[in-house]
Amino acid sequence: GQSLEQPSEVTAVEGAIVQINCTYQTSGFYGLSWYQQHDGGAPTFLSYNGLDGLEETGRFSSFLSRSDSYGYLLLQELQMKDSASYFCAFLRGDKIIFGKGTRLHILP
Amino acid sequence: DTAVSQTPKYLVTQMGNDKSIKCEQNLGHDTMYWYKQDSKKFLKIMFSYNNKELIINETVPNRFSPKSPDKAHLNLHINSLELGDSAVYFCASTPVRGGTDTQYFGPGTRLTVL
Repeated sequence: GQSLEQPSEVTAVEGAIVQINCTYQTSGFYGLSWYQQHDGGAPTFLSYNGLDGLEETGRFSSFLSRSDSYGYLLLQELQMKDSASYFCAFLRGDKIIFGKGTRLHILP
Repeated sequence: DTAVSQTPKYLVTQMGNDKSIKCEQNLGHDTMYWYKQDSKKFLKIMFSYNNKELIINETVPNRFSPKSPDKAHLNLHINSLELGDSAVYFCASTPVRGGTDTQYFGPGTRLTVL
């Protein structure tokens, strides 16, 4: 089958670093995407890894290891506005399959 | 400029009614989607159209009928609404079919069935 697993919740402190993991199971894998969704808002694209390794975009980085079917999103210098749900996703044919999301709680 | 827009933003209706949600994108994208997000935040694809052609039709009750009059518009009509239809419905678009392009989401329509 095809699936993505990520923790349902993660808590971190403002200013710290947090890593949100995602493991996946699928065939014909192209790459892993990450989306952010604030409460009451729409998902917005954060990053995409088509190849193994680390992609950096400002305070956010995303990593992929195809051999381990694993990726993660790294958020540095956490700010209160980073409190949101984070979804990993992969492309399967014409569809994007989303994980169930990780709710990130940030403590002051 | 709004890239992907949906109307209405909120929809409250009685069980058994028929309702429609409209979506428009001004990005010039070829492919549009409807997603349902339930109370547990699970995002599930429902339909996708590529240049007005239906390419994805998930296991959705046939009370749900999408319609794409042109590639910039994708509407969703729901007949005989049920309590379980209460959710947030998101429209999204991508430049081309499949590929690795980013999905651009609309603001969502929160449907509440009483």
